[in-house]
Amino acid sequence: GEDVEQSLFLSVREGDSSVINCTYTDSSSTYLYWYKQEPGAGLQLLTYIFSNMDMKQDQRLTVLLNKKDKHLSLRIADTQTGDSAIYFCAENAFYNQGGKLIFGQGTELSVKP
Amino acid sequence: EAGVTQSPTHLIKTRGQQATLRCSPISGHTSVYWYQQALGLGLQFLLWYDEGEERNRGNFPPRFSGRQFPNYSSELNVNALELEDSALYLCASSLVVGGNTEAFFGQGTRLTVV
Repeated sequence: GEDVEQSLFLSVREGDSSVINCTYTDSSSTYLYWYKQEPGAGLQLLTYIFSNMDMKQDQRLTVLLNKKDKHLSLRIADTQTGDSAIYFCAENAFYNQGGKLIFGQGTELSVKP
Repeated sequence: EAGVTQSPTHLIKTRGQQATLRCSPISGHTSVYWYQQALGLGLQFLLWYDEGEERNRGNFPPRFSGRQFPNYSSELNVNALELEDSALYLCASSLVVGGNTEAFFGQGTRLTVV
Protein backbone atom coordinates (compact mmCIF):
# COMPACT_ATOMS: atom_id res chain seq x y z
CA GLY A 1 0.00 0.00 0.00
CA GLU A 2 0.96 3.60 -0.20
CA ASP A 3 1.32 5.56 2.99
CA VAL A 4 3.84 8.15 4.13
CA GLU A 5 3.80 9.25 7.76
CA GLN A 6 5.34 12.28 9.42
CA SER A 7 4.96 13.86 12.83
CA LEU A 8 2.93 17.06 12.53
CA PHE A 9 4.93 19.58 14.58
CA LEU A 10 8.50 20.31 15.59
CA SER A 11 9.74 23.30 17.57
CA VAL A 12 13.42 24.18 17.93
CA ARG A 13 15.55 27.13 19.01
CA GLU A 14 17.51 29.15 16.48
CA GLY A 15 21.00 27.69 16.06
CA ASP A 16 19.97 24.16 17.10
CA SER A 17 19.69 21.22 14.71
CA SER A 18 16.26 20.10 13.53
CA VAL A 19 15.49 16.50 12.66
CA ILE A 20 12.30 15.76 10.75
CA ASN A 21 11.33 12.11 10.44
CA CYS A 22 9.30 10.21 7.88
CA THR A 23 8.28 6.59 7.38
CA TYR A 24 7.06 5.07 4.15
CA THR A 25 5.55 1.74 3.26
CA ASP A 26 6.23 1.07 -0.41
CA SER A 27 9.35 -1.07 -0.49
CA SER A 28 9.68 -0.51 -4.22
CA SER A 29 10.22 3.22 -3.74
CA THR A 30 13.25 4.22 -5.72
CA TYR A 31 13.51 7.93 -4.92
CA LEU A 32 12.55 9.86 -1.81
CA TYR A 33 12.21 13.63 -1.68
CA TRP A 34 12.03 16.49 0.78
CA TYR A 35 10.01 19.59 -0.01
CA LYS A 36 9.54 22.86 1.88
CA GLN A 37 6.36 24.93 1.79
CA GLU A 38 6.21 28.46 3.16
CA PRO A 39 2.83 30.07 3.93
CA GLY A 40 0.81 30.81 0.81
CA ALA A 41 3.48 29.36 -1.49
CA GLY A 42 4.07 26.29 -3.60
CA LEU A 43 6.49 23.49 -2.78
CA GLN A 44 10.23 23.99 -3.03
CA LEU A 45 12.30 20.88 -3.75
CA LEU A 46 15.07 20.73 -1.14
CA THR A 47 16.82 17.47 -1.87
CA TYR A 48 16.27 13.85 -2.80
CA ILE A 49 17.93 10.52 -2.18
CA PHE A 50 18.09 7.39 -4.25
CA SER A 51 17.13 4.21 -2.46
CA ASN A 52 20.53 2.59 -2.82
CA MET A 53 22.11 5.38 -0.75
CA ASP A 54 21.96 5.71 3.00
CA MET A 55 23.07 9.31 3.35
CA LYS A 56 23.20 12.50 1.33
CA GLN A 57 24.56 15.86 2.46
CA ASP A 58 23.85 19.20 0.85
CA GLN A 59 25.16 22.24 2.76
CA ARG A 60 23.07 22.46 5.98
CA LEU A 61 20.85 19.55 4.97
CA THR A 62 21.58 15.88 5.68
CA VAL A 63 19.25 13.13 4.55
CA LEU A 64 19.48 9.71 6.18
CA LEU A 65 17.74 6.67 4.76
CA ASN A 66 17.21 3.38 6.58
CA LYS A 67 15.77 1.21 3.85
CA LYS A 68 15.28 -1.80 6.11
CA ASP A 69 13.03 0.19 8.46
CA LYS A 70 11.64 2.38 5.64
CA HIS A 71 12.66 5.44 7.63
CA LEU A 72 13.83 8.73 6.19
CA SER A 73 15.04 11.78 8.07
CA LEU A 74 16.02 15.35 7.21
CA ARG A 75 18.47 17.09 9.48
CA ILE A 76 18.84 20.87 9.23
CA ALA A 77 21.99 22.13 10.90
CA ASP A 78 22.13 25.59 12.53
CA THR A 79 18.39 26.12 12.09
CA GLN A 80 17.39 29.71 11.31
CA THR A 81 14.05 31.53 11.68
CA GLY A 82 13.83 31.51 7.87
CA ASP A 83 13.64 27.72 8.02
CA SER A 84 10.20 27.95 9.65
CA ALA A 85 7.87 26.22 7.18
CA ILE A 86 6.08 22.95 6.52
CA TYR A 87 8.34 20.12 5.35
CA PHE A 88 6.99 17.26 3.27
CA CYS A 89 8.63 13.97 2.49
CA ALA A 90 7.48 12.15 -0.63
CA GLU A 91 8.16 8.80 -2.22
CA ASN A 92 8.13 7.76 -5.82
CA ALA A 93 7.83 4.09 -6.61
CA PHE A 94 8.13 4.92 -10.27
CA TYR A 95 7.93 1.41 -11.65
CA ASN A 96 4.69 0.81 -9.72
CA GLN A 97 3.27 4.33 -9.64
CA GLY A 98 4.61 6.12 -12.65
CA GLY A 99 5.38 9.77 -12.00
CA LYS A 100 3.08 9.99 -8.99
CA LEU A 101 4.57 11.27 -5.75
CA ILE A 102 3.02 10.14 -2.46
CA PHE A 103 3.36 12.84 0.17
CA GLY A 104 3.33 12.73 3.93
CA GLN A 105 1.05 15.07 5.86
CA GLY A 106 3.86 17.56 6.41
CA THR A 107 5.78 18.59 9.52
CA GLU A 108 5.38 22.17 10.64
CA LEU A 109 8.78 23.42 11.85
CA SER A 110 8.70 26.39 14.19
CA VAL A 111 12.03 28.08 14.92
CA LYS A 112 12.12 30.28 18.00
CA PRO A 113 14.72 33.07 18.28
CA GLU B 1 15.36 30.41 -16.19
CA ALA B 2 11.63 30.64 -15.50
CA GLY B 3 10.13 28.14 -13.11
CA VAL B 4 6.71 26.53 -13.30
CA THR B 5 4.07 29.19 -13.74
CA GLN B 6 0.40 28.83 -12.93
CA SER B 7 -2.55 31.06 -13.67
CA PRO B 8 -4.66 32.49 -12.26
CA THR B 9 -3.26 32.78 -8.73
CA HIS B 10 -6.75 33.05 -7.29
CA LEU B 11 -10.10 31.95 -8.68
CA ILE B 12 -13.54 32.31 -7.15
CA LYS B 13 -16.38 30.31 -8.65
CA THR B 14 -19.93 29.45 -7.77
CA ARG B 15 -21.05 25.90 -7.06
CA GLY B 16 -21.97 24.15 -10.30
CA GLN B 17 -19.72 26.28 -12.50
CA GLN B 18 -16.59 25.13 -14.31
CA ALA B 19 -13.03 26.16 -13.50
CA THR B 20 -10.01 26.11 -15.80
CA LEU B 21 -6.52 26.26 -14.34
CA ARG B 22 -3.38 26.65 -16.43
CA CYS B 23 0.22 25.58 -16.01
CA SER B 24 3.41 26.26 -17.97
CA PRO B 25 6.25 23.84 -17.19
CA ILE B 26 9.94 24.57 -16.96
CA SER B 27 11.44 24.75 -20.42
CA GLY B 28 12.54 21.29 -21.53
CA HIS B 29 10.31 19.41 -19.10
CA THR B 30 7.86 17.06 -20.78
CA SER B 31 5.92 15.84 -17.73
CA VAL B 32 3.27 17.87 -15.91
CA TYR B 33 1.54 16.84 -12.70
CA TRP B 34 -1.47 18.23 -10.89
CA TYR B 35 -2.01 17.96 -7.14
CA GLN B 36 -4.79 19.15 -4.88
CA GLN B 37 -3.93 20.54 -1.45
CA ALA B 38 -7.11 20.83 0.55
CA LEU B 39 -7.28 21.75 4.23
CA GLY B 40 -7.00 18.64 6.33
CA LEU B 41 -6.43 16.33 3.37
CA GLY B 42 -2.81 17.00 2.51
CA LEU B 43 -1.41 16.77 -1.00
CA GLN B 44 -3.42 14.47 -3.24
CA PHE B 45 -2.23 13.38 -6.68
CA LEU B 46 -4.68 14.28 -9.46
CA LEU B 47 -3.12 13.74 -12.88
CA TRP B 48 0.14 13.10 -14.70
CA TYR B 49 0.68 14.07 -18.33
CA ASP B 50 3.74 13.22 -20.36
CA GLU B 51 4.32 13.91 -24.05
CA GLY B 52 0.70 14.93 -24.46
CA GLU B 53 -0.77 11.75 -22.98
CA GLU B 54 -2.45 11.12 -19.64
CA ARG B 55 -0.17 8.60 -17.91
CA ASN B 56 -1.68 8.26 -14.46
CA ARG B 57 -4.74 9.47 -12.62
CA GLY B 58 -5.49 9.80 -8.93
CA ASN B 59 -8.66 8.84 -7.12
CA PHE B 60 -10.79 11.78 -8.27
CA PRO B 61 -14.16 11.81 -10.07
CA PRO B 62 -14.30 12.25 -13.87
CA ARG B 63 -15.36 15.89 -13.52
CA PHE B 64 -11.65 16.52 -12.89
CA SER B 65 -9.99 16.39 -16.28
CA GLY B 66 -7.17 17.98 -18.14
CA ARG B 67 -4.94 17.97 -21.13
CA GLN B 68 -1.40 18.71 -22.20
CA PHE B 69 -0.68 20.78 -25.26
CA PRO B 70 2.09 20.27 -27.86
CA ASN B 71 4.19 22.93 -26.08
CA TYR B 72 3.84 20.82 -22.87
CA SER B 73 1.71 23.37 -21.06
CA SER B 74 -1.36 21.96 -19.38
CA GLU B 75 -4.89 22.77 -18.33
CA LEU B 76 -6.87 21.34 -15.46
CA ASN B 77 -10.64 21.55 -15.80
CA VAL B 78 -13.03 21.00 -12.95
CA ASN B 79 -16.69 20.72 -13.94
CA ALA B 80 -19.79 20.97 -11.78
CA LEU B 81 -17.84 22.57 -8.94
CA GLU B 82 -18.63 21.54 -5.41
CA LEU B 83 -17.81 23.39 -2.20
CA GLU B 84 -15.26 20.72 -1.24
CA ASP B 85 -13.29 21.45 -4.42
CA SER B 86 -12.02 24.59 -2.67
CA ALA B 87 -8.27 24.03 -2.37
CA LEU B 88 -4.84 25.03 -3.56
CA TYR B 89 -4.13 23.34 -6.89
CA LEU B 90 -0.46 22.79 -7.52
CA CYS B 91 1.16 22.02 -10.82
CA ALA B 92 4.62 20.51 -11.11
CA SER B 93 6.87 19.63 -13.99
CA SER B 94 9.79 17.28 -14.40
CA LEU B 95 11.90 15.25 -16.69
CA VAL B 96 11.62 11.60 -15.73
CA VAL B 97 15.09 10.11 -15.86
CA GLY B 98 15.61 6.55 -14.72
CA GLY B 99 12.68 6.69 -12.32
CA ASN B 100 13.66 10.02 -10.77
CA THR B 101 10.64 12.28 -10.77
CA GLU B 102 12.46 15.41 -9.64
CA ALA B 103 9.36 17.58 -9.73
CA PHE B 104 9.40 21.37 -9.46
CA PHE B 105 6.23 23.06 -8.32
CA GLY B 106 4.50 26.28 -9.23
CA GLN B 107 3.00 28.68 -6.72
CA GLY B 108 -0.46 27.22 -7.13
CA THR B 109 -3.95 28.41 -7.94
CA ARG B 110 -6.19 29.02 -4.95
CA LEU B 111 -9.70 27.93 -6.00
CA THR B 112 -12.57 29.02 -3.81
CA VAL B 113 -16.05 27.66 -4.50
CA VAL B 114 -18.89 29.60 -2.94
